[in-house]
Amino acid sequence: DVKVTQSSRYLVKRTGEKVFLECVQDMDHENMFWYRQDPGLGLRLIYFSYDVKMKEKGDIPEGYSVSREKKERFSLILESASTNQTSMYLCASSLSEGVNTEAFFGQGTRLTVV
Amino acid sequence: QKEVEQNSGPLSVPEGAIASLNCTYSDRGSQSFFWYRQYSGKSPELIMSIYSNGDKEDGRFTAQLNKASQYVSLLIRDSQPSDSATYLCAVEGAGSYQLTFGKGTKLSVIP
Repeated sequence: DVKVTQSSRYLVKRTGEKVFLECVQDMDHENMFWYRQDPGLGLRLIYFSYDVKMKEKGDIPEGYSVSREKKERFSLILESASTNQTSMYLCASSLSEGVNTEAFFGQGTRLTVV
Repeated sequence: QKEVEQNSGPLSVPEGAIASLNCTYSDRGSQSFFWYRQYSGKSPELIMSIYSNGDKEDGRFTAQLNKASQYVSLLIRDSQPSDSATYLCAVEGAGSYQLTFGKGTKLSVIP
């Protein structure tokens, strides 16, 4: 089974802090994604990466950055956390090619910024 | 802007009935289509994928795709209370690895 693991299930951080959310997948997937999910807004793509050290902006990259130094790990960084970044953050991974390119999700990190 | 539209619901069906969930998408070049189930407070879980026109069945679930109408649906037969969840439609655009998600349809199966 594909396993996507996020480092924390719940996090509480203070406004202005630098926050790191970590994600690791064990299926040698090329693609990795970071989404946030908010009530009424659905899942929105923040950043994705299709290879090591490669990254692409999604729909809402402002206030975030990412790092992918190893194929299995994709980190989301909140440079200076703000209360409007309180959300559920979801990491996902997928294959680039082949028959099955579906994305698999981690368990999610519920971040509260106070 | 690629869009995926779903009826937000809630959709209520009695136990044992067929639940029908619908989704339309704007990117005519889209190639891959997915249905995810999400329980409250949990992350999305893949339940069906479909890549070509027609029907695809897996147990109580049937996905239907009509690319000409830009329409994809999910039927759940013999609905159970455990099927109560939000169902997300996701579409992978042509030449892209990105998934665009609908906002989801909340399904309630009434015992």
